[in-house]
Amino acid sequence: DSGVTQTPKHLITATGQRVTLRCSPRSGDLSVYWYQQSLDQGLQFLIQYYNGEERAKGNILERFSAQQFPDLHSELNLSSLELGDSALYFCASSQEGGSVQPQHFGDGTRLSIL
Amino acid sequence: QQPVQSPQAVILREGEDAVINCSSSKALYSVHWYRQKHGEAPVFLMILLKGGEQKGHEKISASFNEKKQQSSLYLTASQLSYSGTYFCGTDLTSNRDDKIIFGKGTRLHILP
Repeated sequence: DSGVTQTPKHLITATGQRVTLRCSPRSGDLSVYWYQQSLDQGLQFLIQYYNGEERAKGNILERFSAQQFPDLHSELNLSSLELGDSALYFCASSQEGGSVQPQHFGDGTRLSIL
Repeated sequence: QQPVQSPQAVILREGEDAVINCSSSKALYSVHWYRQKHGEAPVFLMILLKGGEQKGHEKISASFNEKKQQSSLYLTASQLSYSGTYFCGTDLTSNRDDKIIFGKGTRLHILP
């Protein structure tokens, strides 16, 4: 158990819809990362937050947005969903961020678009 | 710039050794290694920093050649539990706003 909690575990929805994925970091971790993992693909970095502020951005689509709240939990919002958005979405957390600390991953949210 | 991992997949018998490589086209500050079992979350194995510092797992070793911009993960006397997909992630700077870019992974399957 990494201590990172992601909800829901599974999400099935239709094209054009909007969903929200939630992540609670490990106790004491200030940094949250979001990754997308498609079938047979690596971990695609989407976005990082540190103590409520956006710190780094990857190949995140304009239809996607995220935020980190004062209690440090984070939400990833995906809108105007397309079939290609079907993937496993992971959240990870670390104490501060950067290169010198490990990231601890949640169990992921599997998003299926019908 | 996504790092390149090799091999893409490897099958071993229990007790055999494996080496997984990770190469970058740019100078690196750090290399991260993670293992992901099927249907599970990636799990941290090791961080190697420029200058030689390592942080990580007791039973797995790795090297970081800064000049060649490469890292290798060494799995010796492999056990069935070592099966999974191994990802390397690279970071170009020590800046906290820099991001780790992961390779596509190396699938390791250990046979009894």
